[in-house]
Amino acid sequence: DADVTQTPRNRITKTGKRIMLECSQTKGHDRMYWYRQDPGLGLRLIYYSFDVKDINKGEISDGYSVSRQAQAKFSLSLESAIPNQTALYFCATRGPADTIYFGEGSWLTVV
Amino acid sequence: GESVGLHLPTLSVQEGDNSIINCAYSNSASDYFIWYKQESGKGPQFIIDIRSNMDKRQGQRVTVLLNKTVKHLSLQIAATQPGDSAVYFCAEIQGGKLIFGQGTELSVKP
Repeated sequence: DADVTQTPRNRITKTGKRIMLECSQTKGHDRMYWYRQDPGLGLRLIYYSFDVKDINKGEISDGYSVSRQAQAKFSLSLESAIPNQTALYFCATRGPADTIYFGEGSWLTVV
Repeated sequence: GESVGLHLPTLSVQEGDNSIINCAYSNSASDYFIWYKQESGKGPQFIIDIRSNMDKRQGQRVTVLLNKTVKHLSLQIAATQPGDSAVYFCAEIQGGKLIFGQGTELSVKP
């Protein structure tokens, strides 16, 4: 099993729909992150969490929300998807020695 | 706000030559830096890291140099191979956040 698993891997959704991207990890790490990546650009931080009760906004949190259901699970929601949220989304975890693990990414297309 | 940036968006090198990818950072409080390689459609892959108490760190065919005076980070790839073609990102830890730079696309010509 992968250390960090993202679901779905690909999704096409309509404008205005609510969509949830899920992330689960088997590393036992407290710190988890959600990023979005647009073509030709770097990863931008949406939200991050240091533990179940500690959730923080990143650079581009508008239009997104998150839920840390358990240490192993960190979900990203688009409450009302819009086309400019079409992107590749990555989840990551960070361990005590700053070891960082990324999921394989979730391609989201909003039409 | 603070950000990590790259000097060049693209870099083309001949196979066998050495590659140097540069990165400027602005947060002098950052104490940990990482270089990632990303191939198309895939997640970032760890290459090498360095902490702020070091100036240089070497791995297999890769070297990272850190100049804290001018807040500059570089990645050197020796004997660049076609398989090194990818986008390379520097990243830093800022207050617990992992912040990425813009990226440099490395193309290796046979």
